Amino acid sequence: DGGITQSPKYLFRKEGQNVTLSCEQNLNHDAMYWYRQDPGQGLRLIYYSQIVNDFQKGDIAEGYSVSREKKESFPLTVTSAQKNPTAFYLCASSIDLGRIGNGYGYTFGSGTRLTVV
Amino acid sequence: RKEVEQDPGPFNVPEGATVAFNCTYSNSASQSFFWYRQDCRKEPKLLMSVYSSGNEDGRFTAQLNRASQYISLLIRDSKLSDSATYLCVVRSNDYKLSFGAGTTVTVRA
Repeated sequence: DGGITQSPKYLFRKEGQNVTLSCEQNLNHDAMYWYRQDPGQGLRLIYYSQIVNDFQKGDIAEGYSVSREKKESFPLTVTSAQKNPTAFYLCASSIDLGRIGNGYGYTFGSGTRLTVV
Repeated sequence: RKEVEQDPGPFNVPEGATVAFNCTYSNSASQSFFWYRQDCRKEPKLLMSVYSSGNEDGRFTAQLNRASQYISLLIRDSKLSDSATYLCVVRSNDYKLSFGAGTTVTVRA
């Protein structure tokens, strides 16, 4: 079955450490996104990519980096510059940027819960 | 002002009851609207799109009021399995979906 796989499910980061969250999809979707979710807040967009080797900053990109070397993969690195990284991170994809409306919506991965220890 | 605002609830209702709640959005140029369902500690899943004329999907009815800039979700004959957080989602420009913080519904036996 097609879908999005995020790993790991839980991740613990020490102060000053960089960590990378994996996101892989086999839906043949062009567009991919990273969001973070904090309690009592809506999802906030970190980065998005509409095509291989291209990505754009979202609303809260500071302290994060991404790459899009393959269509299927969109890993997110949480760097030591991100001062409050504890959150639920969600990767999503859509057929393309232009078709997230018209009933298509997003497909989400199951998320990674990152905690600073 | 937040782009999408929702009453966080919780709405506690007995099985079989009807529950309805709204979501307001700030961008009058918004084009597409969705309701997503999110179970505790899980990812959001698309429940239904919201069309201008209103639409139903089984026990769920969604309405859009562009003049007042809100969308609504009504759940009839509530089931225990309807207990979840319902996210209001608005397409506010060409690439981005804006998410509300969610309305929590708890259906009790």
